[in-house]
Amino acid sequence: DTEVTQTPKHLVMGMTNKKSLKCEQHMGHRAMYWYKQKAKKPPELMFVYSYEKLSINESVPSRFSPECPNSSLLNLHLHALQPEDSALYLCASSHLFRRQSAGELFFGEGSRLTVL
Amino acid sequence: GESVGLHLPTLSVQEGDNSIINCAYSNSASDYFIWYKQESGKGPQFIIDIRSNMDKRQGQRVTVLLNKTVKHLSLQIAATQPGDSAVYFCAEKNRDDKIIFGKGTRLHILP
Repeated sequence: DTEVTQTPKHLVMGMTNKKSLKCEQHMGHRAMYWYKQKAKKPPELMFVYSYEKLSINESVPSRFSPECPNSSLLNLHLHALQPEDSALYLCASSHLFRRQSAGELFFGEGSRLTVL
Repeated sequence: GESVGLHLPTLSVQEGDNSIINCAYSNSASDYFIWYKQESGKGPQFIIDIRSNMDKRQGQRVTVLLNKTVKHLSLQIAATQPGDSAVYFCAEKNRDDKIIFGKGTRLHILP
């Protein structure tokens, strides 16, 4: 079972709606990530938070707004999305500056978003 | 091989045989190369990684090989089991600490 919890598991929203995706981890990780995954494609990096500060934004449109209220929580606020934004949104966490198993991200099961 | 559009490369292996999943990478500056497994309806799960200054690393039933000359990474799974059925992604960790996923390969286990 994953130690990264994402809610909701499924979300359907209209293009004028405002919604949020939530992610929580209690492993003491200080890096948290949002990835987007379309069907049969690899996960694509969107945002990285390090010590609760946004460290990487992969040129994501402003209709996606991340927030890291504390070291355990990561949100993704959604507003005025397009149908092509429908995808599985994956949250992950990891240790920072850990050179053994430096590539180890712990993923949640994702929130499947459908934009109508 | 490369996947285009909606098709994932698929590898079919008899249960009990060894599986070899291959990946080509392009960024020579990456400092770690990683393999992830994604089962249906789940997030990716870390399997094993290898530092760029190594050419082989072994885990439990898995071995990763790195050939920097031809920019090739492979994952070998010994004695493949039904639970190994999943999509396998190679990934790179670059100097900016970004973990970027490559195209996946679906591993199908034949009974």
